[in-house]
Amino acid sequence: SQQGEEDPQALSIQEGENATMNCSYKTSINNLQWYRQNSGRGLVHLILIRSNEREKHSGRLRVTLDTSKKSSSLLITASRAADTASYFCATGSTSGGGADGLTFGKGTHLIIQP
Amino acid sequence: GAGVSQSPSNKVTEKGKDVELRCDPISGHTALYWYRQSLGQGLEFLIYFQGNSAPDKSGLPSDRFSAERTGGSVSTLTIQRTQQEDSAVYLCASRTSGSGGYTFGSGTRLTVV
Repeated sequence: SQQGEEDPQALSIQEGENATMNCSYKTSINNLQWYRQNSGRGLVHLILIRSNEREKHSGRLRVTLDTSKKSSSLLITASRAADTASYFCATGSTSGGGADGLTFGKGTHLIIQP
Repeated sequence: GAGVSQSPSNKVTEKGKDVELRCDPISGHTALYWYRQSLGQGLEFLIYFQGNSAPDKSGLPSDRFSAERTGGSVSTLTIQRTQQEDSAVYLCASRTSGSGGYTFGSGTRLTVV
């Protein structure tokens, strides 16, 4: 079953604008990670935020985590055409289980219009 | 190598045939994972290897699926008597022990006709 659920499922914005994607989850987590996938192939790890952290930055990426609401957001600032991809959140659960409890959502498909 | 390598990148097979998919993880990464991704969907966990421990096979969808990891390095995912619903991209990932991000390979796109 899906743990992380991304919202929206698809997002189209103009180049230069900021893109915000959200992720909600259901159970307690150790950490939450965001990945990018181009053309339905391998995923690239973007950023990991631990359950005791509230915000993390990496370049043009900003991730927030609200464990009380069981939600996270990924903000991409000053978007570029190359940011067009699918973005997945993945949660590492405290309950263990398969693959260290890392469960992926279905992703947000982001399109950056030139 | 520098990254996780998967082969073949594409595989078309006839229904009922067996297929083998290969994954070469990053050298020194003790954890190796197989995922399956159907068109437009998220990743479905299949199997997890950690060092010399018994693998976690809880995600394998049927007994037609099996995987092994030889010498703690290369892994092979085998699908016997393939069915059309097995068509998907099969992704392999590895990481060092402890928490942290996964490094994914480019996947094998399997098409069963």
